[in-house]
Amino acid sequence: DTGVSQNPRHKITKRGQNVTFRCDPISEHNRLYWYRQTLGQGPEFLTYFQNEAQLEKSRLLSDRFSAERPKGSFSTLEIQRTEQGDSAMYLCASSLALRDSQPPLYGYTFGSGTRLTVV
Amino acid sequence: AQSVTQLGSHVSVSEGALVLLRCNYSSSVPPYLFWYVQYPNQGLQLLLKYTSAATLVKGINGFEAEFKKSETSFHLTKPSAHMSDAAEYFCAVSTRRGGGFKTIFGAGTRLFVKA
Repeated sequence: DTGVSQNPRHKITKRGQNVTFRCDPISEHNRLYWYRQTLGQGPEFLTYFQNEAQLEKSRLLSDRFSAERPKGSFSTLEIQRTEQGDSAMYLCASSLALRDSQPPLYGYTFGSGTRLTVV
Repeated sequence: AQSVTQLGSHVSVSEGALVLLRCNYSSSVPPYLFWYVQYPNQGLQLLLKYTSAATLVKGINGFEAEFKKSETSFHLTKPSAHMSDAAEYFCAVSTRRGGGFKTIFGAGTRLFVKA
């Protein structure tokens, strides 16, 4: 297993275009998270999945953002009608929980992120 | 609601000196606490974690942190800084929310190590 993989590493897009990012978590991990990080800030929670179910979505996330995790494996994050304010590093992380009530005892494993620049 | 405050966006120490990065949290339920390190152009890497066992936890690269409930703190320390410790450090708190857990990160502290 090579860890959490994110593609692409970099994306430059024009304002108003749609973009889609992909995250491949560690195969045995059942929880998957998306975070956004801007310069000088910590990761900001966007959404997370347990298997294929999306359990929570940040209230800060506009309707232009959507995430899916079909079959509980890889996940995609789509941003429609991108704006310059969407420019950030988008981080994916995964973790293993043997039951719903179990905390992330081993923390999260993060990917290297996708850096989005909207021009 | 949970929150994390890291005191000091930048900390500078000399090589061989003590490293102290401060973190205070707010949580209405027992928290699970973490420190992560991020090197340039890389994702976050787990340094150590507190998950309700021993209050003094040891992590990788010689780092340790102590959970102090009365002070709602989880400060990160290392006795002797090394040049390779220069990076950004994030404190995080994870609490039970609905069907799972949600983790909130602090704004980060950038550690500079002077030769």
